[in-house]
Amino acid sequence: GDSVTQTEGLVTLTEGLPVMLNCTYQSTYSPFLFWYVQHLNEAPKLLLKSFTDNKRPEHQGFHATLHKSSSSFHLQKSSAQLSDSALYYCALRRGGSNAKLTFGKGTKLSVKS
Amino acid sequence: EAAVTQSPRNKVAVTGGKVTLSCNQTNNHNNMYWYRQDTGHGLRLIHYSYGAGSTEKGDIPDGYKASRPSQENFSLILELATPSQTSVYFCASGRTGGDNERLFFGHGTKLSVL
Repeated sequence: GDSVTQTEGLVTLTEGLPVMLNCTYQSTYSPFLFWYVQHLNEAPKLLLKSFTDNKRPEHQGFHATLHKSSSSFHLQKSSAQLSDSALYYCALRRGGSNAKLTFGKGTKLSVKS
Repeated sequence: EAAVTQSPRNKVAVTGGKVTLSCNQTNNHNNMYWYRQDTGHGLRLIHYSYGAGSTEKGDIPDGYKASRPSQENFSLILELATPSQTSVYFCASGRTGGDNERLFFGHGTKLSVL
């Protein structure tokens, strides 16, 4: 079946340093990949989604590139902010009309001053 | 902004009891989902639905049933609750396809089974 693997556990950064959270996937299809973010005591919400035309999605300074050759969709930001502290989930949907969305285990990002 | 409402927000149940978690969305989304969130496991899909009358098994359906009586409502049923089902449960809704594809999540139900 489909699966998503993320950087495990906690990533701690100093404000201003670059962010990179890893996401790799396994699927026999050409899936769509997503990043969701969950701040403390809030619901998860969409941060980024891969495009079919290989455009690089960007939102709130974050970007991610879908690399089919390496089955990866890593999340990056050039300079971390304190407000980026949150739980980040990478997720996969097979494509077509299939609605099943599979999430990874999540990576907690803690940004300190 | 799409609205997904879960009830109750908190629930304490006894082992062996029946628990029903409810979810309502008012955005006419076809797809609805139930996830549970546990530290170390992330968000795991229990059941999902393509529309009224449809339910599909997710990755961890054992011990759970789902019901989609209408476009707006999607329930998760624990017929015989066990302590291992203590978790935070999230309902979500959304459409499939297009550049604006996304799930909208409710605020979660914290379930404790004693």
